[in-house]
Amino acid sequence: AQSVAQPEDQVNVAEGNPLTVKCTYSVSGNPYLFWYVQYPNRGLQFLLKYITGDNLVKGSYGFEAEFNKSQTSFHLKKPSALVSDSALYFCVVRDHNSGTYKYIFGTGTRLKVLA
Amino acid sequence: DAGITQSPRHKVTETGTPVTLRCHQTENHRYMYWYRQDPGHGLRLIHYSYGVKDTDKGEVSDGYSVSRSKTEDFLLTLESATSSQTSVYFCAIRGGRGTDTQYFGPGTRLTVL
Repeated sequence: AQSVAQPEDQVNVAEGNPLTVKCTYSVSGNPYLFWYVQYPNRGLQFLLKYITGDNLVKGSYGFEAEFNKSQTSFHLKKPSALVSDSALYFCVVRDHNSGTYKYIFGTGTRLKVLA
Repeated sequence: DAGITQSPRHKVTETGTPVTLRCHQTENHRYMYWYRQDPGHGLRLIHYSYGVKDTDKGEVSDGYSVSRSKTEDFLLTLESATSSQTSVYFCAIRGGRGTDTQYFGPGTRLTVL
């Protein structure tokens, strides 16, 4: 079965420092991976996705993610964190083996950027 | 903004009553989804639809039913609400043209007393 794991419930980082939010996945076949963000009291927004191609994927708001097949990871990164990046981040895998477009979410990582 | 609205945005109801949540989209997308969000669980798929009258179960479908009689509307019904169904419910669509991106509605906060 396809799954994603986000090992950290919360990540704290100082403003201006680089940030990493971790995600590992388990899939059969090629993975289709995504990151979404949820700002306080708001819906979810798409950040970026990896389908195929370059292992470094660039997305919205200066975020990027590195796909690592050997480590089955898809960590979200940003070179310099902003206080406004504080939010809940979800790693997502598409369950393409089911033959339909179903998506499986990780449990989420709360990012807190400290001024 | 993919033109997704949810109604109601907030609802308080009592155990045992039926509840229907509505998701409406304006852009004619084929795929629509209902998720629930609970602390420590992320988002879990309840049901999804891949066309008018075409629906399938997700991982937490017990106690829920759905209907899609028109492309633009996807209804989620709690047949007999229980306190364990207190949650925030999100509707989503899958963007078209091979984008493989989901767009989410603003959510409905449901409290079952």
